[in-house]
Amino acid sequence: ETGVTQTPRHLVMGMTNKKSLKCEQHLGHNAMYWYKQSAKKPLELMFVYSLEERVENNSVPSRFSPECPNSSHLFLHLHTLQPEDLALYLCASSQDPGKVQNIQYFGAGTRLSVL
Amino acid sequence: AQKVTQAQTEISVVEKEDVTLDCVYETRDTTYYLFWYKQPPSGELVFLIRRNSFDEQNEISGRYSWNFQKSTSSFNFTITASQVVDSAVYFCALSEAQTSGTYKYIFGTGTRLKVLA
Repeated sequence: ETGVTQTPRHLVMGMTNKKSLKCEQHLGHNAMYWYKQSAKKPLELMFVYSLEERVENNSVPSRFSPECPNSSHLFLHLHTLQPEDLALYLCASSQDPGKVQNIQYFGAGTRLSVL
Repeated sequence: AQKVTQAQTEISVVEKEDVTLDCVYETRDTTYYLFWYKQPPSGELVFLIRRNSFDEQNEISGRYSWNFQKSTSSFNFTITASQVVDSAVYFCALSEAQTSGTYKYIFGTGTRLKVLA
């Protein structure tokens, strides 16, 4: 198993659908992250979970709802999407988000298209 | 506010040429870390290197080398004898403390490197 696995790799959604993105890390890390990568924009941090507790929520619209049932799994539930939500959604994990030298390890992302 | 600037949006080189990717940062912190990541077409960001603010020694790893200069707030990345497999988007990042007690990355906008055969 690779370190951080994301499924599905590609997702096409209608604006009224509800779907979920899944991320699983096999590195024994304590923290997990969701990022949004849109064309021609810097990577945007969406959410951070540390030991299953949400510690960062960076002004993300409520149509994005994260869930972290345990330290190895992270979900992003999507509904009522907008055209601007078209992006690559990247998941990452790290050992200790409380340390300045913390390294994040990324999955390959889910590419989301909105009909 | 902390900031990372990668002024080169896209660079094209011919295979075997050397290429340098620039990264300039701004921070008020005295202790900080800088990172480089590679994002190939497959999508995942691959960690390349981490450097702390107190270590200005250059680092070399195979064809990759990094030049950290605190005086100019730069952390540049050089690929020697580039290969087609080096084609990717490269990101520079800076760690930033949050009020929650965690650290997050401040990413640059990335440099797309195209190595032509």
